Amino acid sequence: GQNIDQPTEMTATEGAIVQINCTYQTSGFNGLFWYQQHAGEAPTFLSYNVLDGLEEKGRFSSFLSRSKGYSYLLLKELQMKDSASYLCAVRDRGYQKVTFGTGTKLQVIP
Amino acid sequence: KAGVTQTPRYLIKTRGQQVTLSCSPISGHRSVSWYQQTPGQGLQFLFEYFSETQRNKGNFPGRFSGRQFSNSRSEMNVSTLELGDSALYLCASRFLETSGDNEQFFGPGTRLTVL
Repeated sequence: GQNIDQPTEMTATEGAIVQINCTYQTSGFNGLFWYQQHAGEAPTFLSYNVLDGLEEKGRFSSFLSRSKGYSYLLLKELQMKDSASYLCAVRDRGYQKVTFGTGTKLQVIP
Repeated sequence: KAGVTQTPRYLIKTRGQQVTLSCSPISGHRSVSWYQQTPGQGLQFLFEYFSETQRNKGNFPGRFSGRQFSNSRSEMNVSTLELGDSALYLCASRFLETSGDNEQFFGPGTRLTVL
């Protein structure tokens, strides 16, 4: 099975950089997702990391270390609209079941 | 291309009743997964269907069941509803034809309230 941990809440200032961490323990690992979910809306895909290292997509970057069971999502130049929950999720090998963490609620303040 | 659709969007039921939720995946997507989302537990995996067969199952009681039709549309059923079943039920679809295809697209969800 999977066990995924991420902070419950974070607060950051508009224009700043914030790093949201995720640690996981897994019996089989295929890759790690990050999703963004605004209140009352469905999750939307941000990234999927399979290999170690940093992947950058505009203001958002995601990092993975498989040996450490660790990932982070980096958000640069924060905007008010980035206030949302950020969900870390791990995909199993084999049948590729996806397990989600409980999410990190990010509040961006002026 | 139309996104994932779920019906109904909102539902109110009483304890002991049963409910059926529907999900239509993105055209061409053959895999449909169902999740339950509650404030305390976050997103929890219920099951995944591919080509009308259940591929994966989460740790939910047998009151939760699902099926998939030949057009990839899926339904989930919850029997003998309990207060704790109140949640947002999300459906997600993906293409699942190549090893590189991993992105799931979520529908807007069905908000179920059990009174």
